[in-house]
Amino acid sequence: EAEVAQSPRYKITEKSQAVAFWCDPISGHATLYWYRQILGQGPELLVQFQDESVVDDSQLPKDRFSAERLKGVDSTLKIQPAELGDSAMYLCASSSQGASETQYFGPGTRLLVL
Amino acid sequence: GNSVTQMEGPVTLSEEAFLTINCTYTATGYPSLFWYVQYPGEGLQLLLKATKADDKGSNKGFEATYRKETTSFHLEKGSVQVSDSAVYFCALRQTGANNLFFGTGTRLTVIP
Repeated sequence: EAEVAQSPRYKITEKSQAVAFWCDPISGHATLYWYRQILGQGPELLVQFQDESVVDDSQLPKDRFSAERLKGVDSTLKIQPAELGDSAMYLCASSSQGASETQYFGPGTRLLVL
Repeated sequence: GNSVTQMEGPVTLSEEAFLTINCTYTATGYPSLFWYVQYPGEGLQLLLKATKADDKGSNKGFEATYRKETTSFHLEKGSVQVSDSAVYFCALRQTGANNLFFGTGTRLTVIP
């Protein structure tokens, strides 16, 4: 069964450092999402891609976060510089084209900023 | 705006007990409603969904009915198993949109 892949699974970094997360969606899925899940809370959307284009990044803190999906396949989410409050689980999801399609989630990257 | 409110956990039940996890929502129009489950060390998986009022979603013995009059989508299972131990998230998706709005999650532990 096809799955969304994410790496790394765990990342520990110091504040002010740069950190990057990678996501490979299910093959053929045009829509890719990055969510942030703070401990004890539900996931919140950071950015949504349709192919290589950003559809929604209204909740992305653009002063320090950036996301790209250059070829419309895999995606990278970057934080620079990391802050203590960025400690969270970063989830990637993908879906085939269409608003009614199910989102499939990866296992997530757990980030700890010291 | 859109929001989802779930009953707070954690919830601890004995095996074969009846489960209810409450979920209410606030949204404009007619959203689709979902329950996702997150097993330890894994990503979120879709458990069930309902796309219009009075629809019942069901999967693996779990059920939830879309109640527009009470803006609710409570999750139920008649007899839980140890393997059902996980965190359960209620979520909504606004009509015509792709992104999901999640509740805070409810951790369920089932003991033998």
